[in-house]
Amino acid sequence: AQSVTQLDSQVPVFEEAPVELRCNYSSSVSVYLFWYVQYPNQGLQLLLKYLSGSTLVKGINGFEAEFNKSQTSFHLRKPSVHISDTAEYFCAVSRPDTGRRALTFGSGTRLQVQP
Amino acid sequence: AAGVIQSPRHLIKEKRETATLKCYPIPRHDTVYWYQQGPGQDPQFLISFYEKMQSDKGSIPDRFSAQQFSDYHSELNMSSLELGDSALYFCASSTPDSMNTEAFFGQGTRLTVV
Repeated sequence: AQSVTQLDSQVPVFEEAPVELRCNYSSSVSVYLFWYVQYPNQGLQLLLKYLSGSTLVKGINGFEAEFNKSQTSFHLRKPSVHISDTAEYFCAVSRPDTGRRALTFGSGTRLQVQP
Repeated sequence: AAGVIQSPRHLIKEKRETATLKCYPIPRHDTVYWYQQGPGQDPQFLISFYEKMQSDKGSIPDRFSAQQFSDYHSELNMSSLELGDSALYFCASSTPDSMNTEAFFGQGTRLTVV
């Protein structure tokens, strides 16, 4: 079975500073990787996804993530954050080989952008 | 663009009561997933349906059941509610073309059991 570890439960950062949210996964086979954002009292919105190909993936709102197979990581980055980026961020995986399309989520990272 | 619609948005029930949550997927989406997100927790997969048949099962309690109807909407039925069932329940939908690649989430139903 696969699992996802988000190493930081909270990340405080000042506005316009860069940020990296860390995600590591564990799986014996290839997985698809996702980052979702959840604003307070809202549903989950897809930021970006890695399926195959280029290891650098660009998403919405200026976010990008890099897939590193050797380190089994998929860290999310943004060069300059805004107050509006304050939210909960979830890393997730799915297993294309099993046909099981449900997502396994990490425990989430709360990004707190301060003025 | 149409999104996943969940109803109700908020629901308050007493212990041992029953609750029914509804999910209307995006048009032409034939797959529905249910997730439960407890306070401060990550979403946990409960169950999914593809073409009106159960396609996968996660950590869904025996007190819960779900089905997908001919119009592809889905209902999650929860009986003998417990305080620990208080959570945000998400529905997500996807198409065969987006198999394993993207699921679109609804706004969720917040269930409070008192």
